[in-house]
Amino acid sequence: AQKITQTQPGMFVQEKEAVTLDCTYDTSDQSYGLFWYKQPSSGEMIFLIYQGSYDEQNATEGRYSLNFQKARKSANLVISASQLGDSAMYFCAMRPLNRDDKIIFGKGTRLHILP
Amino acid sequence: GAVVSQHPSRVICKSGTSVKIECRSLDFQATTMFWYRQFPKQSLMLMATSNEGSKATYEQGVEKDKFLINHASLTLSTLTVTSAHPEDSSFYICSASGGHTDTQYFGPGTRLTVL
Repeated sequence: AQKITQTQPGMFVQEKEAVTLDCTYDTSDQSYGLFWYKQPSSGEMIFLIYQGSYDEQNATEGRYSLNFQKARKSANLVISASQLGDSAMYFCAMRPLNRDDKIIFGKGTRLHILP
Repeated sequence: GAVVSQHPSRVICKSGTSVKIECRSLDFQATTMFWYRQFPKQSLMLMATSNEGSKATYEQGVEKDKFLINHASLTLSTLTVTSAHPEDSSFYICSASGGHTDTQYFGPGTRLTVL
């Protein structure tokens, strides 16, 4: 069975510091995609970054990078130089790529950026 | 990124009435759309997968006669909450998958309040 685990229900980080949001996953699929989404208080789910299981390099998108460690089955999100606007709920997600199956989400981490 | 719209963003209705929520992919064709429900401070719960031109696939425990889904075109899916009750009050959010990674892009969500 597939599973996403986010062990940090909440985090407080000082503005301008880097922050790492943890995500571990469990799957028997060989080919899968990993996703991170941001959900601010407005409720919309904003796609941040994608990592394919066969991608050799860690994905980066601006201030976001994904620390992908396949052997450890971890896909941590790193936000550099955090900003007040980064305060939100963050969800890690995964879905298999070679078969038709739904995406599954972790329970999320609420990030608070302190001024 | 791809843009998904959702309408209305907020609706208040009386118990017993039906409410229709629209989900549109604005700049890409989505053969598959997804409907989620989210309770406060919880992760997204998949309700159903909507495929263009065919019947939706509902998750276990979701009443298909209560939550009617129609995927009329490659850019539009609708969710109708029939005979709404106060316990149906929730945040409903749709997504559409696109691109070579089948990333899901989410609409801004609809907050339903049933009085």
